[in-house]
Amino acid sequence: SQQGEEDPQALSIQEGENATMNCSYKTSINNLQWYRQNSGRGLVHLILIRSNEREKHSGRLRVTLDTSKKSSSLLITASRAADTASYFCAPNQAGTALIFGKGTTLSVSS
Amino acid sequence: DSGVTQTPKHLITATGQRVTLRCSPRSGDLSVYWYQQSLDQGLQFLIQYYNGEERAKGNILERFSAQQFPDLHSELNLSSLELGDSALYFCASSPEGAGNTIYFGEGSWLTVV
Repeated sequence: SQQGEEDPQALSIQEGENATMNCSYKTSINNLQWYRQNSGRGLVHLILIRSNEREKHSGRLRVTLDTSKKSSSLLITASRAADTASYFCAPNQAGTALIFGKGTTLSVSS
Repeated sequence: DSGVTQTPKHLITATGQRVTLRCSPRSGDLSVYWYQQSLDQGLQFLIQYYNGEERAKGNILERFSAQQFPDLHSELNLSSLELGDSALYFCASSPEGAGNTIYFGEGSWLTVV
């Protein structure tokens, strides 16, 4: 198992702006997953991108994966106050449990 | 609602005591995972069970143990509790083995006083 490292640790933006957070990892992966956690709640799966995919969209979310750089980014477009949460990436190798880093804490103010 | 149920939601206990946290996975999910989240340690993977068998072990202390029963529910036993064990304990489940999307419960808040 390996853990991803999210960057930045904290991000503050205004409603309507885009939020970009990055994830780096060390070894080859099968897929990479992004999760969101609202304060004190369980993590919620957002999106899974496989190692042979470069980009994936889900609603206002856009995830990219660059396996040559061992990095991924999560873009949230037109952010809303409800997007305020912590975001975690989980690079996944075959047959291993998901390990989470410290996450990016996103604050969206109105 | 993820479909993963954890009980109790909140628990306050004294140092040296033992507690059991319970988890019912989503219907049909064979894998159960336990995580511990605290302010200083972040979200730590403790252990995974798959269809009753231990599959992977993370940073689980020797004072902690877990099991998964034939009906697939799981229990995490925490003994000789210390102040530092105060944390939010999550259970998660997935349909198959590791590598897939996992679904988290809402957690059990443990406060050790």
